[in-house]
Amino acid sequence: KNQVEQSPQSLIILEGKNCTLQCNYTVSPFSNLRWYKQDTGRGPVSLTIMTFSENTKSNGRYTATLDADTKQSSLHITASQLSDSASYICVVSAMDSSYKLIFGSGTRLLVRP
Amino acid sequence: GAGVSQSPSNKVTEKGKDVELRCDPISGHTALYWYRQRLGQGLEFLIYFQGNSAPDKSGLPSDRFSAERTGESVSTLTIQRTQQEDSAVYLCASSHPPISGNTIYFGEGSWLTVV
Repeated sequence: KNQVEQSPQSLIILEGKNCTLQCNYTVSPFSNLRWYKQDTGRGPVSLTIMTFSENTKSNGRYTATLDADTKQSSLHITASQLSDSASYICVVSAMDSSYKLIFGSGTRLLVRP
Repeated sequence: GAGVSQSPSNKVTEKGKDVELRCDPISGHTALYWYRQRLGQGLEFLIYFQGNSAPDKSGLPSDRFSAERTGESVSTLTIQRTQQEDSAVYLCASSHPPISGNTIYFGEGSWLTVV
């Protein structure tokens, strides 16, 4: 069964600190992996998209990594800001159904002053 | 428009009533998706449109749920005889053909509460 699992479920850090969120998936055949940020009460906003051949991709203070062999991804947030408080969702697509996004449950990040 | 637009943003309805949720995708996007998000849970796939055809309706929870799309434009998700378990945020998204690398843009969602 195609699944996406994220850890930790929630995380609290102090403003200015770095953090890393994890994503493991069992989706096959793999097409691409996306990280989305979802503020409370809002729709998800795309941060990064990575295909099989990509190991890392950055978007400002966000850096995503992908290890397609171990089926793991991480999202690293550098120098966190209060506005980073949100849910971060790992989303994977399979090659045979690339339109059907498979969502993880997300990691709820709270950045405190 | 600049982004995916959904209406209504909030809807409270009585159990047993029908509701219609509307999605205006980004202009030029041929692919349109509907997802459901229950409180505190991840997004569940409902249906995918390519143009005005729906090659995958497998996520629709029951025959009370239906969706249609006019050309490569507006889509409507209809829930008949609503039940309390239908309470959720219904998110619409659109994109160019969903090959690897194409960004999928989400709307802000329609919050449905069935009382």
